[in-house]
Amino acid sequence: AQSVTQLGSHVSVSEGALVLLRCNYSSSVPPYLFWYVQYPNQGLQLLLKYTSAATLVKGINGFEAEFKKSETSFHLTKPSAHMSDAAEYFCAVLSGGYQKVTFGTGTKLQVIP
Amino acid sequence: EPEVTQTPSHQVTQMGQEVILRCVPISNHLYFYWYRQILGQKVEFLVSFYNNEISEKSEIFDDQFSVERPDGSNFTLKIRSTKLEDSAMYFCASSDIRVSYEQYFGPGTRLTVT
Repeated sequence: AQSVTQLGSHVSVSEGALVLLRCNYSSSVPPYLFWYVQYPNQGLQLLLKYTSAATLVKGINGFEAEFKKSETSFHLTKPSAHMSDAAEYFCAVLSGGYQKVTFGTGTKLQVIP
Repeated sequence: EPEVTQTPSHQVTQMGQEVILRCVPISNHLYFYWYRQILGQKVEFLVSFYNNEISEKSEIFDDQFSVERPDGSNFTLKIRSTKLEDSAMYFCASSDIRVSYEQYFGPGTRLTVT
Protein backbone atom coordinates (compact mmCIF):
# COMPACT_ATOMS: atom_id res chain seq x y z
CA ALA A 1 0.00 0.00 0.00
CA GLN A 2 1.15 3.50 -0.72
CA SER A 3 2.11 5.70 2.23
CA VAL A 4 4.11 8.79 3.08
CA THR A 5 6.27 9.66 6.07
CA GLN A 6 6.99 13.21 7.10
CA LEU A 7 10.08 13.80 9.17
CA GLY A 8 9.69 16.48 11.80
CA SER A 9 6.31 17.44 13.21
CA HIS A 10 7.55 20.99 13.85
CA VAL A 11 10.03 23.05 11.86
CA SER A 12 11.14 26.57 12.74
CA VAL A 13 12.94 28.86 10.33
CA SER A 14 13.87 32.51 10.36
CA GLU A 15 12.16 34.86 7.95
CA GLY A 16 14.18 34.86 4.73
CA ALA A 17 15.76 31.47 5.40
CA LEU A 18 15.41 28.32 3.34
CA VAL A 19 12.39 26.16 4.05
CA LEU A 20 12.89 22.39 3.77
CA LEU A 21 10.08 20.03 4.71
CA ARG A 22 10.84 16.35 4.30
CA CYS A 23 8.64 13.64 2.90
CA ASN A 24 9.45 10.05 1.97
CA TYR A 25 7.04 7.79 0.17
CA SER A 26 6.47 4.10 -0.06
CA SER A 27 4.86 2.82 -3.20
CA SER A 28 5.03 -0.27 -5.35
CA VAL A 29 3.85 1.66 -8.38
CA PRO A 30 4.79 5.07 -9.77
CA PRO A 31 3.26 7.41 -7.23
CA TYR A 32 1.12 10.47 -7.57
CA LEU A 33 2.35 12.78 -4.81
CA PHE A 34 0.98 16.00 -3.41
CA TRP A 35 1.80 18.72 -0.93
CA TYR A 36 -1.11 20.45 0.77
CA VAL A 37 -1.06 23.45 3.10
CA GLN A 38 -3.52 24.11 5.90
CA TYR A 39 -3.66 27.54 7.49
CA PRO A 40 -5.14 27.77 10.99
CA ASN A 41 -8.85 26.96 11.05
CA GLN A 42 -8.97 26.59 7.28
CA GLY A 43 -9.25 23.81 4.73
CA LEU A 44 -6.65 22.07 2.61
CA GLN A 45 -5.06 23.92 -0.27
CA LEU A 46 -3.03 22.13 -2.91
CA LEU A 47 0.49 23.52 -3.15
CA LEU A 48 1.79 21.25 -5.88
CA LYS A 49 1.54 17.78 -7.35
CA TYR A 50 3.86 15.24 -8.95
CA THR A 51 2.35 13.15 -11.72
CA SER A 52 5.55 11.84 -13.40
CA ALA A 53 5.76 14.57 -16.03
CA ALA A 54 8.78 16.29 -14.44
CA THR A 55 10.87 15.54 -11.38
CA LEU A 56 11.05 19.17 -10.25
CA VAL A 57 7.59 20.50 -9.60
CA LYS A 58 6.83 24.16 -9.02
CA GLY A 59 3.80 25.13 -7.00
CA ILE A 60 2.09 28.17 -5.65
CA ASN A 61 3.58 30.76 -3.29
CA GLY A 62 7.15 30.05 -4.43
CA PHE A 63 7.24 26.44 -3.22
CA GLU A 64 8.73 23.60 -5.19
CA ALA A 65 9.41 19.91 -4.66
CA GLU A 66 11.77 17.45 -6.26
CA PHE A 67 10.84 13.82 -6.85
CA LYS A 68 13.85 11.56 -6.25
CA LYS A 69 13.11 7.95 -7.00
CA SER A 70 16.50 6.74 -5.75
CA GLU A 71 15.78 8.26 -2.34
CA THR A 72 11.98 7.72 -2.42
CA SER A 73 11.68 11.34 -1.42
CA PHE A 74 9.53 14.32 -2.32
CA HIS A 75 10.83 17.15 -0.15
CA LEU A 76 9.21 20.57 -0.23
CA THR A 77 11.41 23.66 -0.43
CA LYS A 78 11.17 27.42 -0.62
CA PRO A 79 14.27 29.61 -0.95
CA SER A 80 13.10 32.37 1.38
CA ALA A 81 10.47 31.99 4.09
CA HIS A 82 7.82 34.63 4.65
CA MET A 83 5.78 35.13 7.79
CA SER A 84 2.69 34.19 5.79
CA ASP A 85 4.13 30.69 5.21
CA ALA A 86 3.41 29.73 8.81
CA ALA A 87 0.97 26.84 8.50
CA GLU A 88 0.78 23.07 8.59
CA TYR A 89 2.01 21.20 5.54
CA PHE A 90 0.89 17.73 4.54
CA CYS A 91 2.58 15.40 2.13
CA ALA A 92 0.15 12.97 0.52
CA VAL A 93 0.03 10.12 -1.97
CA LEU A 94 -2.76 8.90 -4.17
CA SER A 95 -3.54 5.33 -3.22
CA GLY A 96 -6.22 2.67 -3.14
CA GLY A 97 -6.50 2.32 -6.90
CA TYR A 98 -6.45 6.12 -7.18
CA GLN A 99 -9.58 6.28 -5.04
CA LYS A 100 -8.15 8.02 -2.03
CA VAL A 101 -5.44 10.34 -0.81
CA THR A 102 -3.30 9.09 2.06
CA PHE A 103 -1.86 11.92 4.11
CA GLY A 104 1.26 12.16 6.17
CA THR A 105 1.16 13.30 9.76
CA GLY A 106 1.91 16.89 8.85
CA THR A 107 4.66 19.38 9.63
CA LYS A 108 3.91 22.66 11.35
CA LEU A 109 6.10 25.42 10.00
CA GLN A 110 6.90 28.33 12.28
CA VAL A 111 8.52 31.41 10.78
CA ILE A 112 10.46 33.54 13.22
CA PRO A 113 10.78 37.27 12.51
CA GLU B 1 -12.61 29.13 -10.36
CA PRO B 2 -15.01 26.33 -9.37
CA GLU B 3 -14.71 25.14 -5.79
CA VAL B 4 -16.15 22.61 -3.41
CA THR B 5 -18.44 24.10 -0.79
CA GLN B 6 -19.55 22.65 2.54
CA THR B 7 -22.28 23.52 5.01
CA PRO B 8 -22.44 24.20 7.84
CA SER B 9 -18.99 25.45 8.71
CA HIS B 10 -19.51 24.41 12.33
CA GLN B 11 -22.03 21.98 13.77
CA VAL B 12 -22.55 21.31 17.46
CA THR B 13 -24.61 18.30 18.44
CA GLN B 14 -25.31 16.14 21.45
CA MET B 15 -24.08 12.59 21.74
CA GLY B 16 -26.53 10.15 20.20
CA GLN B 17 -28.01 12.65 17.79
CA GLU B 18 -27.97 12.28 14.01
CA VAL B 19 -26.09 14.81 11.93
CA ILE B 20 -25.94 15.42 8.20
CA LEU B 21 -22.98 17.22 6.71
CA ARG B 22 -23.52 18.70 3.28
CA CYS B 23 -21.21 19.25 0.36
CA VAL B 24 -21.59 20.64 -3.12
CA PRO B 25 -18.82 19.17 -5.29
CA ILE B 26 -17.48 20.82 -8.42
CA SER B 27 -20.22 20.48 -11.00
CA ASN B 28 -18.55 18.31 -13.65
CA HIS B 29 -16.77 16.02 -11.21
CA LEU B 30 -17.85 12.41 -10.93
CA TYR B 31 -15.93 11.13 -7.89
CA PHE B 32 -16.72 12.32 -4.40
CA TYR B 33 -14.96 11.74 -1.09
CA TRP B 34 -15.17 12.36 2.62
CA TYR B 35 -12.17 12.72 4.92
CA ARG B 36 -11.90 13.63 8.55
CA GLN B 37 -9.26 15.23 10.73
CA ILE B 38 -9.45 14.80 14.47
CA LEU B 39 -7.92 17.80 16.20
CA GLY B 40 -4.14 17.60 16.14
CA GLN B 41 -4.08 14.49 13.98
CA LYS B 42 -3.64 13.76 10.30
CA VAL B 43 -6.32 13.77 7.66
CA GLU B 44 -7.92 10.33 7.22
CA PHE B 45 -9.86 8.91 4.31
CA LEU B 46 -13.42 7.83 5.05
CA VAL B 47 -15.15 6.96 1.81
CA SER B 48 -15.21 7.43 -1.95
CA PHE B 49 -18.37 7.52 -4.03
CA TYR B 50 -18.92 7.08 -7.74
CA ASN B 51 -21.92 6.40 -9.91
CA ASN B 52 -24.26 6.51 -6.92
CA GLU B 53 -22.46 3.90 -4.90
CA ILE B 54 -19.56 3.58 -2.51
CA SER B 55 -16.42 2.57 -4.36
CA GLU B 56 -14.11 2.34 -1.37
CA LYS B 57 -14.36 2.89 2.37
CA SER B 58 -12.01 2.78 5.31
CA GLU B 59 -12.38 0.83 8.53
CA ILE B 60 -13.49 4.06 10.18
CA PHE B 61 -16.57 4.16 7.96
CA ASP B 62 -18.75 1.77 9.94
CA ASP B 63 -22.52 1.29 10.01
CA GLN B 64 -22.97 4.60 11.80
CA PHE B 65 -21.93 6.42 8.65
CA SER B 66 -23.71 6.71 5.33
CA VAL B 67 -23.32 8.82 2.22
CA GLU B 68 -25.82 9.93 -0.35
CA ARG B 69 -26.14 12.04 -3.43
CA PRO B 70 -29.76 13.07 -3.01
CA ASP B 71 -29.87 15.23 -6.11
CA GLY B 72 -27.63 16.34 -8.93
CA SER B 73 -25.57 18.74 -6.86
CA ASN B 74 -25.36 17.73 -3.19
CA PHE B 75 -23.30 15.02 -1.54
CA THR B 76 -24.02 14.26 2.11
CA LEU B 77 -22.42 12.41 5.00
CA LYS B 78 -24.78 11.19 7.70
CA ILE B 79 -23.71 10.04 11.13
CA ARG B 80 -26.64 8.21 12.71
CA SER B 81 -25.80 8.32 16.39
CA THR B 82 -22.89 10.59 17.13
CA LYS B 83 -20.22 9.74 19.65
CA LEU B 84 -17.78 12.04 21.40
CA GLU B 85 -14.97 10.62 19.27
CA ASP B 86 -16.76 11.74 16.08
CA SER B 87 -15.73 15.30 16.93
CA ALA B 88 -13.48 16.32 14.07
CA MET B 89 -13.17 18.44 10.96
CA TYR B 90 -14.86 16.72 8.04
CA PHE B 91 -13.64 17.50 4.54
CA CYS B 92 -15.48 16.79 1.33
CA ALA B 93 -13.54 16.45 -1.92
CA SER B 94 -14.29 15.80 -5.56
CA SER B 95 -12.34 14.86 -8.65
CA ASP B 96 -12.66 14.22 -12.35
CA ILE B 97 -10.19 11.44 -13.06
CA ARG B 98 -10.83 11.75 -16.79
CA VAL B 99 -8.75 14.92 -16.54
CA SER B 100 -6.62 14.61 -13.40
CA TYR B 101 -6.30 12.51 -10.26
CA GLU B 102 -6.19 15.69 -8.19
CA GLN B 103 -8.84 15.92 -5.51
CA TYR B 104 -10.27 19.33 -4.72
CA PHE B 105 -11.10 19.84 -1.06
CA GLY B 106 -13.81 21.91 0.52
CA PRO B 107 -13.20 24.20 3.51
CA GLY B 108 -14.50 21.61 5.97
CA THR B 109 -17.21 21.30 8.59
CA ARG B 110 -16.12 21.30 12.19
CA LEU B 111 -18.30 18.84 14.10
CA THR B 112 -18.37 19.11 17.86
CA VAL B 113 -20.16 16.36 19.80
CA THR B 114 -20.97 17.21 23.40
